[in-house]
Amino acid sequence: AQSVTQLGSHVSVSEGALVLLRCNYSSSVPPYLFWYVQYPNQGLQLLLKYTSAATLVKGINGFEAEFKKSETSFHLTKPSAHMSDAAEYFCAVSDSGANSKLTFGKGITLSVRP
Amino acid sequence: GAGVSQTPSNKVTEKGKYVELRCDPISGHTALYWYRQSLGQGPEFLIYFQGTGAADDSGLPNDRFFAVRPEGSVSTLKIQRTERGDSAVYLCASSFGPGDEAFFGQGTRLTVV
Repeated sequence: AQSVTQLGSHVSVSEGALVLLRCNYSSSVPPYLFWYVQYPNQGLQLLLKYTSAATLVKGINGFEAEFKKSETSFHLTKPSAHMSDAAEYFCAVSDSGANSKLTFGKGITLSVRP
Repeated sequence: GAGVSQTPSNKVTEKGKYVELRCDPISGHTALYWYRQSLGQGPEFLIYFQGTGAADDSGLPNDRFFAVRPEGSVSTLKIQRTERGDSAVYLCASSFGPGDEAFFGQGTRLTVV
């Protein structure tokens, strides 16, 4: 069985500050890991995914995430927050490269203060 | 349209009634997924179609829930004898194949009163 833990439900940062959204996973097999973003009134959009090719994954809009097996973590970061980054972020795990059966975390709402 | 389309966007129904939720995937996408997102939670997998067949329906919560994709394109999620606990946003996603990026629709918000 797989699971994802996203601690906390809300993160607030100032514009220009570092964004760090935490994700820890549990998986009995080598995992495939994903970060999705959901802007208000829009569908989920894939930010980035880890499929074992490289531990540091770069995604869209300046986001990146690092897979750390020893810590079972896949935290999402962005060096400098922009107002447009305000959204809900979901971490997800799959037991294969397929997106066929994703297990999502509860999500984290990111607020960006001017 | 260019994206995954779900209709209706909102549905209010009375407890015990039957509802159908529709998903139009992106043209050419053979894989289609249904998820359910309850308030304050992440999406929860329901069922996955590859073509016309349900490749994995392990997420359907009980036999009141059923989904079809008869021609390998449009899919309908059917809920019988709705209960208040069925209230949630139902998300549909599609991809070219099971290993490709899944694109999500905006969802159908179902409210059972």
